[in-house]
Amino acid sequence: GAGVSQTPSNKVTEKGKYVELRCDPISGHTALYWYRQSLGQGPEFLIYFQGTGAADDSGLPNDRFFAVRPEGSVSTLKIQRTERGDSAVYLCASSHLAGAEQFFGPGTRLTVL
Amino acid sequence: QQPVQSPQAVILREGEDAVINCSSSKALYSVHWYRQKHGEAPVFLMILLKGGEQKGHDKISASFNEKKQQSSLYLTASQLSYSGTYFCGTGPNSGNTPLVFGKGTRLSVIA
Repeated sequence: GAGVSQTPSNKVTEKGKYVELRCDPISGHTALYWYRQSLGQGPEFLIYFQGTGAADDSGLPNDRFFAVRPEGSVSTLKIQRTERGDSAVYLCASSHLAGAEQFFGPGTRLTVL
Repeated sequence: QQPVQSPQAVILREGEDAVINCSSSKALYSVHWYRQKHGEAPVFLMILLKGGEQKGHDKISASFNEKKQQSSLYLTASQLSYSGTYFCGTGPNSGNTPLVFGKGTRLSVIA
């Protein structure tokens, strides 16, 4: 079946703009995770959904970052007033159960100029 | 807290073996191992759980020492396709808290 998909694959924006990053998890996966990965680093946890609700958002760096998963499937990560330091690859992963193996999407490379 | 991986990088010739270590300062319930090739998404290798058995498939296996809060990934008779960055992700409990990933170990296998 289809894996995790993310759109767009690349996003270039200007400092101060608003961006939305989309994640389509594997069908039936109840857990969905957002990570941010900078060059030479491991994935850094941002937020995790169990169904429609955010089970843990402790990794969101500040209130400019917000994520939703209104129907328990597709999720959108929203970043307001982007800053150059937000530039990174944003990865989404899903799993059939919390704590089980995670299947990662190809990521969205965000560049803030 | 972020687990510490060692070595940071290693170069192998085809057929050689390697061990990648992952250490945590916190008690662990689970350790996940992933491999990421350049420009691609991380790919799941295996999970080790507290009280579980050593895992392995093909020529890649892993162990989990709960007392030492460490896990090791063993790659035997390495192949060119093993090249990539290996990450461990540690979980302190049964699944309701997120994984914390290490900085990765870059493995290069050359002919």
